[in-house]
Amino acid sequence: AQSVAQPEDQVNVAEGNPLTVKCTYSVSGNPYLFWYVQYPNRGLQFLLKYITGDNLVKGSYGFEAEFNKSQTSFHLKKPSALVSDSALYFCAVTGPSGGYNKLIFGAGTRLAVHP
Amino acid sequence: KAGVTQTPRYLIKTRGQQVTLSCSPISGHRSVSWYQQTPGQGLQFLFEYFSETQRNKGNFPGRFSGRQFSNSRSEMNVSTLELGDSALYLCASRLDSDEQFFGPGTRLTVL
Repeated sequence: AQSVAQPEDQVNVAEGNPLTVKCTYSVSGNPYLFWYVQYPNRGLQFLLKYITGDNLVKGSYGFEAEFNKSQTSFHLKKPSALVSDSALYFCAVTGPSGGYNKLIFGAGTRLAVHP
Repeated sequence: KAGVTQTPRYLIKTRGQQVTLSCSPISGHRSVSWYQQTPGQGLQFLFEYFSETQRNKGNFPGRFSGRQFSNSRSEMNVSTLELGDSALYLCASRLDSDEQFFGPGTRLTVL
């Protein structure tokens, strides 16, 4: 069965510091991995994806993520956090058993960036 | 291009009633998926439609159903509403195997 774990309910970081939001996954076959962000009372906004190729993926708003197959991880990173990055972040995976069209989401990590 | 639109944005119903939610995908996107978001269960996949056919289904009771029209617009229906059906229902569309783009959601409250 496919699954995603986001081990931290909340991550606190000071503005200007680097941030990391962790994600590990379990899927049979080659995974497609995604990060989405959700602001209050809004839908999900796509940040970045890994399908194949370079393990370091760059996305929107300065975010990037590194695919690590041996550790089955796909951590989200940003070199310098902004207060406006404060939101709920979701890691998601899909794979061949779901026909690559069924997203399995982690529980979400709330990012709080303090001035 | 316009994004994914969902109507209505907010809905209040009582137990036992039924509800229909609507989703218009991004122009050209033929795949539409539905997700339920609740504080307790998080984001859960309901079903996906492609070219008017249900292609995948999550683990929800038969009270939850959907359909897709020839213009790719989709509706989902929940019959015999229960208190636990209160949630944010999100629709997403995508082009082939690309990422899914989500709408703003419909917040359903069941009293």
